[in-house]
Amino acid sequence: LAKTTQPISMDSYEGQEVNITCSHNNIATNDYITWYQQFPSQGPRFIIQGYKTKVTNEVASLFIPADRKSSTLSLPRVSLSDTAVYYCLVGDMDTGRRALTFGSGTRLQVQP
Amino acid sequence: DTGVSQDPRHKITKRGQNVTFRCDPISEHNRLYWYRQTLGQGPEFLTYFQNEAQLEKSRLLSDRFSAERPKGSFSTLEIQRTEQGDSAMYLCATPPGETDTQYFGPGTRLTVL
Repeated sequence: LAKTTQPISMDSYEGQEVNITCSHNNIATNDYITWYQQFPSQGPRFIIQGYKTKVTNEVASLFIPADRKSSTLSLPRVSLSDTAVYYCLVGDMDTGRRALTFGSGTRLQVQP
Repeated sequence: DTGVSQDPRHKITKRGQNVTFRCDPISEHNRLYWYRQTLGQGPEFLTYFQNEAQLEKSRLLSDRFSAERPKGSFSTLEIQRTEQGDSAMYLCATPPGETDTQYFGPGTRLTVL
């Protein structure tokens, strides 16, 4: 499994765009990149998943460069409710039965 | 609300006691995973069911831990002779179909005194 590295914490203010970068130098050809969000006392929640280039949904955008050795989760105009831990995961979609491997995540604190 | 429920949400017990947690997944999801999460860390895989069959167990799952999914629907996780190191959040998750995306329950927070 590809190891991921992401910042331990980030601070932002309401209304700003937040970009969280994840490094995954050993990503394999079949690996997808997935981000989860976790609020205190709740289970993680799927945010976005991508393989290459850019993916956008109603919550976030995911940017993946051509070499796929890193990825950036972009949260537009954050609010206080975006304060959470964000996890970057890399996994092989061809073996969908595999359990998820979480790192320590990035703790995002949004201030007013 | 992901549709995955867990009970109880909180459990406080004394060292040496047995505890049992329950997970009710989304009904049509035949795969079910248990994870454990300690403070400041991401969830760690414990065990995995495909319908009623337990197909994989992590090294974290010591002999004191046992999990069942008797009818391929709800699942239980039992910890015997609890230790203080068992204090953690225990999470249940199910993915739809063959996808990798997992829907997590709210977790059961265990405190062992």
